[in-house]
Amino acid sequence: DAGVTQSPTHLIKTRGQQVTLRCSPKSGHDTVSWYQQALGQGPQFIFQYYEEEERQRGNFPDRFSGHQFPNYSSELNVNALLLGDSALYLCASSSGIPPGDEQFFGPGTRLTVL
Amino acid sequence: QKEVEQNSGPLSVPEGAIASLNCTYSDRGSQSFFWYRQYSGKSPELIMFIYSNGDKEDGRFTAQLNKASQYVSLLIRDSQPSDSATYLCAVWEARGSYIPTFGRGTSLIVHP
Repeated sequence: DAGVTQSPTHLIKTRGQQVTLRCSPKSGHDTVSWYQQALGQGPQFIFQYYEEEERQRGNFPDRFSGHQFPNYSSELNVNALLLGDSALYLCASSSGIPPGDEQFFGPGTRLTVL
Repeated sequence: QKEVEQNSGPLSVPEGAIASLNCTYSDRGSQSFFWYRQYSGKSPELIMFIYSNGDKEDGRFTAQLNKASQYVSLLIRDSQPSDSATYLCAVWEARGSYIPTFGRGTSLIVHP
């Protein structure tokens, strides 16, 4: 079992561009949550997907959107990138919410916006 | 605005000592409390979680929860240099939504 995978590992974009990040959850997990972690900060919850629907959303603008596919994999899309969007984007998979002891984070995607 | 507060540290302890990491939270509706370890440049990994007041032990780790004081802590016994990392506290609300709020983490350094 590969665990939670994310792609790409690193990404460099310029302001105003759009980006798509991808996540494949651990086998058997049906819930995917996305987080943004700025340097020196804790992760901030963006949103969570279950059964292909956005179930919960944190305090992020509509520029942040997502999708979950029937195989439970997920995408995070960010439009009109700002310098402040530079961060580590983490995907976490679980089976149920709250996650209990079955919660695993992917390695993250490091996004740099120039 | 829900807040989760952690002392950013660094907390420095000698090898073999007990490391005590603390976290306070503002929302009395919080129901689930999680501790994660994050090594530099890596993603967080779950250490343990606690729902009920009191202590919960898992190997060298003990989580302590006091809902009246809105306080949760993590004790690491027999600290090892490999425990050197940032420890994140996360609080999940359970009223109508399950949205986690993370603290900014405490940096722990265990020196030989």
